[in-house]
Amino acid sequence: DAGVIQSPRHEVTEMGQEVTLRCKPISGHNSLFWYRQTMMRGLELLIYFNNNVPIDDSGMPEDRFSAKMPNASFSTLKIQPSEPRDSAVYFCASSLQGWNQPQHFGDGTRLSIL
Amino acid sequence: QKEVEQNSGPLSVPEGAIASLNCTYSDRVSQSFFWYRQYSGKSPELIMSIYSNGDKEDGRFTAQLNKASQYVSLLIRDSQPSDSATYLCATRGTGGFKTIFGAGTRLFVKA
Repeated sequence: DAGVIQSPRHEVTEMGQEVTLRCKPISGHNSLFWYRQTMMRGLELLIYFNNNVPIDDSGMPEDRFSAKMPNASFSTLKIQPSEPRDSAVYFCASSLQGWNQPQHFGDGTRLSIL
Repeated sequence: QKEVEQNSGPLSVPEGAIASLNCTYSDRVSQSFFWYRQYSGKSPELIMSIYSNGDKEDGRFTAQLNKASQYVSLLIRDSQPSDSATYLCATRGTGGFKTIFGAGTRLFVKA
């Protein structure tokens, strides 16, 4: 079975540009999570969705960040305008609903803002 | 106080030894506990989950949970150089969807 699919795998862009990261969760999973990982801050939860509805976006660092989940098989994380401090690895993860369900991670997008 | 705490390491063990990784958590309503392995440059990969007090074994891995002490550990028997990675402890409560991750422990297994 296909796992969580993220694109692009790598993104290098200049400061001020808009960046869009994409995620396709595992089929049948109804919870989706966006994380950011850096050496300094570790793995940070940005936002999560359940049944396509944003449940908690308290981890989104600024208004420059936005996320959408228009349907059960697709989500985007957008940064506009991007800044060098946004450089990190961004992971998408999905799970079945339920307290005992683990999350499964995509391969991540390595983002570099110059 | 961090919600899930792990020693950042690095923890260095010789090949063939038992590696012991520890984790404490602060939220008493946590009900699910997970161990993820993350190789450098890769994504976290689930290796163990545990929900009840006691031990759970899967191959060379044993997870141990003590809810009274709010403590969960991972033992890796017969450690191999390929086990060298960062191990993330994570917890999830019954009331929500959120999984809380620790900062991870780096493990080095010396050949």
